[in-house]
Amino acid sequence: AQSVTQPDIHITVSEGASLELRCNYSYGATPYLFWYVQSPGQGLQLLLKYFSGDTLVQGIKGFEAEFKRSQSSFNLRKPSVHWSDAAEYFCAGALTGGGNKLTFGTGTQLKVEL
Amino acid sequence: EAQVTQNPRYLITVTGKKLTVTCSQNMNHEYMSWYRQDPGLGLRQIYYSMNVEVTDKGDVPEGYKVSRKEKRNFPLILESPSPNQTSLYFCASSLGLAGVSNNEQFFGPGTRLTVL
Repeated sequence: AQSVTQPDIHITVSEGASLELRCNYSYGATPYLFWYVQSPGQGLQLLLKYFSGDTLVQGIKGFEAEFKRSQSSFNLRKPSVHWSDAAEYFCAGALTGGGNKLTFGTGTQLKVEL
Repeated sequence: EAQVTQNPRYLITVTGKKLTVTCSQNMNHEYMSWYRQDPGLGLRQIYYSMNVEVTDKGDVPEGYKVSRKEKRNFPLILESPSPNQTSLYFCASSLGLAGVSNNEQFFGPGTRLTVL
């Protein structure tokens, strides 16, 4: 079955420190992959997406993600975290022919210490 | 402004009282979906629609109905709500299928539903 796993439920980092949020996928073929951010009381905003080509993807707000087929991973990174990055982050995948469904991970709650 | 709107944003109701959550998009998107978000479970798809009068079940359709009579609207109907449907609900729309290159799903702000 298709699945997306985010192993870390909560992560705390200091402002200015680097960040890496993990995402692993399990699909029969390479899926399209997405990272969304959800600020408190808000909807979901797309940070970045990977469809094909360059495995290092740049997104908004200074985020990037690297697709690694050998590790079935699509980890999200940011070199220097700002307090405003505190939010919940969701990794999601979709397959061609999979209807219109995004399969979401369970989310990682990011806390930023000042 | 391109957006997906949902109403109401917050709703408290009682078991068995029929309710409808509306969803509307102004981007002329063909594809629309409903998701529910529960702690520790992420978002799970309830139903989706590929065009007017074309809908299909997602992962957790039990207890829900949808309709797509107009392209812009995709209401979610709970005929007889139960406490296990207490959740945060999101509507989303996209130009094409989620699994097709360069299609992004745009999400509404969410509807927090409590069923007592």
